[in-house]
Amino acid sequence: QSALTQPASVSGSPGQSITISCIGTSSDVGAYNHVSWYQQHPGKAPKLMIYDVSNRPSGVSNRFSGSKSGNTASLTISGLQAEDEGDYYCCSYKSGSAPYVFGTGTKVTVL
Amino acid sequence: EVQLVESGGGLVQPGGSLRLSCAASGFSFSSYWMYWVRQAPGKGLVWVARIFNDGSMTNYADSVKGRFTISRDNAKNTLYLQMNSLRAEDTAVYYCTRVIVTGTPAFAYWGQGTLVTVSS
Repeated sequence: QSALTQPASVSGSPGQSITISCIGTSSDVGAYNHVSWYQQHPGKAPKLMIYDVSNRPSGVSNRFSGSKSGNTASLTISGLQAEDEGDYYCCSYKSGSAPYVFGTGTKVTVL
Repeated sequence: EVQLVESGGGLVQPGGSLRLSCAASGFSFSSYWMYWVRQAPGKGLVWVARIFNDGSMTNYADSVKGRFTISRDNAKNTLYLQMNSLRAEDTAVYYCTRVIVTGTPAFAYWGQGTLVTVSS
């Protein structure tokens, strides 16, 4: 059960846009439109930001958007704000008896 | 308001056992599959286990299969994780979580987590 691959860190200045990639395989990201993204601040529980590739839960800013192409999913944060700093994880449904796999995580820094 | 409150974490010796509980409220507990996700100190999220709403089916990560058992008591609105043969690498914060809606595998509701430390 290898984790999905994410960049260790991404940074940007306030107001800029950044994109976090999530690379999987044809058994997970490439096979299902069930990719979700989570934001986590230190010492806190994760928060769902995107589900089913590109859907935003109620209350999540429209500055967050998701997409997928082949085996790679992406999370874009537009109009970067200081409060967006934190760790971000992707997650995909997958085939097999253990049906979920998370990404390695990306630390977002607002410069 | 959906609430998930974990308890039962603590310090345990290698080879020991621990049972985590997750008290659920604010929704129809018996209608939802439930999950455990863990996070080792300074590390990423890892999916651990799933149980169907009626308890008829369970799934586990390979790393805990045969050692952990997920269960539920729908009458008490409570989810459990029985952890046996604990190893140092099981040290983590354990989160109880629920999906956004039935049929959509995205974890929208999380407890505050309970810390399990496996050490002699």
